[in-house]
Amino acid sequence: QKEVEQDPGPLSVPEGAIVSLNCTYSNSAFQYFMWYRQYSRKGPELLMYTYSSGNKEDGRFTAQVDKSSKYISLFIRDSQPSDSATYLCAMSDSAGGFKTIFGAGTRLFVKA
Amino acid sequence: EAGVAQSPRYKIIEKRQSVAFWCNPISGHATLYWYQQILGQGPKLLIQFQNNGVVDDSQLPKDRFSAERLKGVDSTLKIQPAKLEDSAVYLCASSIMTDTQYFGPGTRLTVL
Repeated sequence: QKEVEQDPGPLSVPEGAIVSLNCTYSNSAFQYFMWYRQYSRKGPELLMYTYSSGNKEDGRFTAQVDKSSKYISLFIRDSQPSDSATYLCAMSDSAGGFKTIFGAGTRLFVKA
Repeated sequence: EAGVAQSPRYKIIEKRQSVAFWCNPISGHATLYWYQQILGQGPKLLIQFQNNGVVDDSQLPKDRFSAERLKGVDSTLKIQPAKLEDSAVYLCASSIMTDTQYFGPGTRLTVL
């Protein structure tokens, strides 16, 4: 079993739709949860950073962490064609130099 | 503020040849990371430096991969000899300490 599981998609939605991206994990020691966006032929860029459980909102993006279920989500409201990218979840614990484990990424296509 | 710089952007080599990648992190960032991202997968940490010292190299195939970070700034990653399965994007990232990681554009390696 992988430490972090993420559905690779692809996920195709019409412009303006609400997008839900999810990851599950197995290591209960994870406390820091991140979402990165990666455009084709570019490096990942950090979108959201959450510590422990709860919700965090930033513009059209909302990140949720449910540690009891070992489940994290990213919601994108009013999706735009420019949101078309691969979204990577990532997590780390507080020990060992904050080693970050990434999911495989979900490819998202937003159609105009 | 300048981002993380990497070169070359693309490299094609024959198996059993050697190759080297270069990374210049963001100025003032003490921590530098090298990741391997195989097509369709998330980045996998190869090695993490804090200043000149190695924090984690547990997933670095040390029989063929080596990395150094001289003077706590630039870093090089070398593969010698390369195998077909080394075909991937090699990403460099940096952070102030162990917080938000900023990624470079990556080097796409093809081994024939």
